[in-house]
Amino acid sequence: EVQLVQSGAEVKKPGSSLKISCKGSGYIFNNYWIGWVRQRPGKGLEWMGIIYPGNSETRVSPSFQGHVTLSADKSFTTAYLQWSSLKASDTAIYYCARFAGYCNTKCYYYGLEVWGQGTTVTVSS
Amino acid sequence: QSVLTQPPSVSAAPGQKVTISCAGSTSNIENNFVSWYQQLPGTAPKLLISKDDQRPSGIPDRFSASKSGSSATLAITGLQTGDEADYFCGTWDDSLSVGIFGGGTKLTVL
Repeated sequence: EVQLVQSGAEVKKPGSSLKISCKGSGYIFNNYWIGWVRQRPGKGLEWMGIIYPGNSETRVSPSFQGHVTLSADKSFTTAYLQWSSLKASDTAIYYCARFAGYCNTKCYYYGLEVWGQGTTVTVSS
Repeated sequence: QSVLTQPPSVSAAPGQKVTISCAGSTSNIENNFVSWYQQLPGTAPKLLISKDDQRPSGIPDRFSASKSGSSATLAITGLQTGDEADYFCGTWDDSLSVGIFGGGTKLTVL
């Protein structure tokens, strides 16, 4: 069974750093892009970016570029989303999902086919 | 404000049919595949439709989708109370070079 299991909820102070994880199992982790999606309280889904674990290539949305870092560790079949300085506006649920499709000069996106359970991040002083 | 426009809410009675629209443009829906997601309260989104109109294994045929030009539509027939959820459309945007979502539509089964 294909599964993505995310790390647990976090409560952090503004200005602190954070790294959350998404562990894949049941498939060849290196061969599929992993996407990250933000959902602020009571709001819709926001596309943050994708990473290809095979070579750590990333495509990050301009809305998030420079504020988050996407990474992956093939040996642990785990993708990561990282902040160096959190803001209160980062309070949200963060989902990882397996990207169906492929990217070369552009991305051919069929859908986000398997989702993690979400990681709730609360940033408050 | 989302690049893809969905109605904020739709409603219908059990057993009836409802449609949810998703309006985009040439840079997204018209030239890329559309996918649809169901998010039940308090849970992660789930893929309902991929590649415009393909149902993943396990998704009932009560759910169907279509695309025409720069718009897409999700249809749900034989509505059940368990279908009450938020529904999101998604696609790639060639101008932004990112994935995008619609703002979401809340379905109420009266």
